[in-house]
Amino acid sequence: DAKTTQPTSMDCAEGRAANLPCNHSTISGNEYVYWYRQIHSQGPQYIIHGLKNNETNEMASLIITEDRKSSTLILPHATLRDTAVYYCIVSEAGGTSYGKLTFGQGTILTVHP
Amino acid sequence: KAGVTQTPRYLIKTRGQQVTLSCSPISGHRSVSWYQQTPGQGLQFLFEYFSETQRNKGNFPGRFSGRQFSNSRSEMNVSTLELGDSALYLCASSPRLAGVLGEQYFGPGTRLTVT
Repeated sequence: DAKTTQPTSMDCAEGRAANLPCNHSTISGNEYVYWYRQIHSQGPQYIIHGLKNNETNEMASLIITEDRKSSTLILPHATLRDTAVYYCIVSEAGGTSYGKLTFGQGTILTVHP
Repeated sequence: KAGVTQTPRYLIKTRGQQVTLSCSPISGHRSVSWYQQTPGQGLQFLFEYFSETQRNKGNFPGRFSGRQFSNSRSEMNVSTLELGDSALYLCASSPRLAGVLGEQYFGPGTRLTVT
């Protein structure tokens, strides 16, 4: 699986958009970009995933660059409850990656009042 | 729909003992993955089961094993416990659409402490 690079920590004001970047310059053509978050002492929570196109759901938007070497997770209106560790994961669709997510250190997002 | 459930939530064991953790996936999900989370190593993949077969395995010693039942419920077992096995053990289930890893839904975890 391709490796990812994320900033160690970020801050965001409540009500503002939180933009979390992720670099995955070695991503291959069949690898998806996944975002999960983990609020303290809870299991990770799936947010969104995509292959090439930008994706949006009720939680967030995922913007993937045209060369697919980086992506940005956008939380449009951050709340205090969005304070968590955010993980960007790149994983192929199947094969040896079946069921396996490789978590890095993630980005600690702190939302301030 | 009920989420992923794990039992027990907390467990204290002594070195050398063995332990069995249980995971009930979301109804209809046939893929179950297990992860270990420690402060030093972060979240690490243990293994994945689909239709009662282990399809993928992480880099853990043979003391860590698992199985899946016909109703998709899964158990993991750790034998001859070591202090370093103290961790949060997380189970995740996935609908596992054909050919795509898809999203995984995690349970709250079992906090294992080995003394």
